[in-house]
Amino acid sequence: DGGITQSPKYLFRKEGQNVTLSCEQNLNHDAMYWYRQDPGQGLRLIYYSQIVNDFQKGDIAEGYSVSREKKESFPLTVTSAQKNPTAFYLCASSQNPGAGNTEAFFGQGTRLTVV
Amino acid sequence: RKEVEQDPGPFNVPEGATVAFNCTYSNSASQSFFWYRQDCRKEPKLLMSVYSSGNEDGRFTAQLNRASQYISLLIRDSKLSDSATYLCVVNLRGGQGGKLIFGQGTELSVKP
Repeated sequence: DGGITQSPKYLFRKEGQNVTLSCEQNLNHDAMYWYRQDPGQGLRLIYYSQIVNDFQKGDIAEGYSVSREKKESFPLTVTSAQKNPTAFYLCASSQNPGAGNTEAFFGQGTRLTVV
Repeated sequence: RKEVEQDPGPFNVPEGATVAFNCTYSNSASQSFFWYRQDCRKEPKLLMSVYSSGNEDGRFTAQLNRASQYISLLIRDSKLSDSATYLCVVNLRGGQGGKLIFGQGTELSVKP
């Protein structure tokens, strides 16, 4: 079945550690996105990528890094520079969004908690 | 000003009611528009795309007014299962091609 998969579902991080969240899609989508959602809040864009080996900062990129070495994969690293990383992280993909009216499909999310 | 703004909610309505959500966007380069539904602690899922001519899907009607940079979602005959958060989404094209921006969401609670 085609889809977008995030792992792990739950992640606990000690302060000062870097952690990497996985996002894989087999939909052959060009674009991939990372969002952060805090309780009772909307989705805020962290990074997005429209093609392999290229990505752009979203509204809240500080303390995060990404790579796009393969079309199917867009991992997000939450670095120790991110001061308040506890949140629900959502990865999404869409097909050639620059071309027009294309919807985004989401993974099931990763809940990151700093302990 | 936020790029996409929605009614803050929450909306508490009885079953069978008609409810309307509004959304405004600030960037005139916005190319395509969507409404997503998000259930508690779940990922958002597409409810419907919004077309310039307006579109309807059963009890749901979406409207777009490009001149006013305004999108709406109307839900008729509300069901208990409609309780969720509704997210307005805008796709920016051009120099920022393919950047999907979400509103903060409007929570709907349908009561018996």
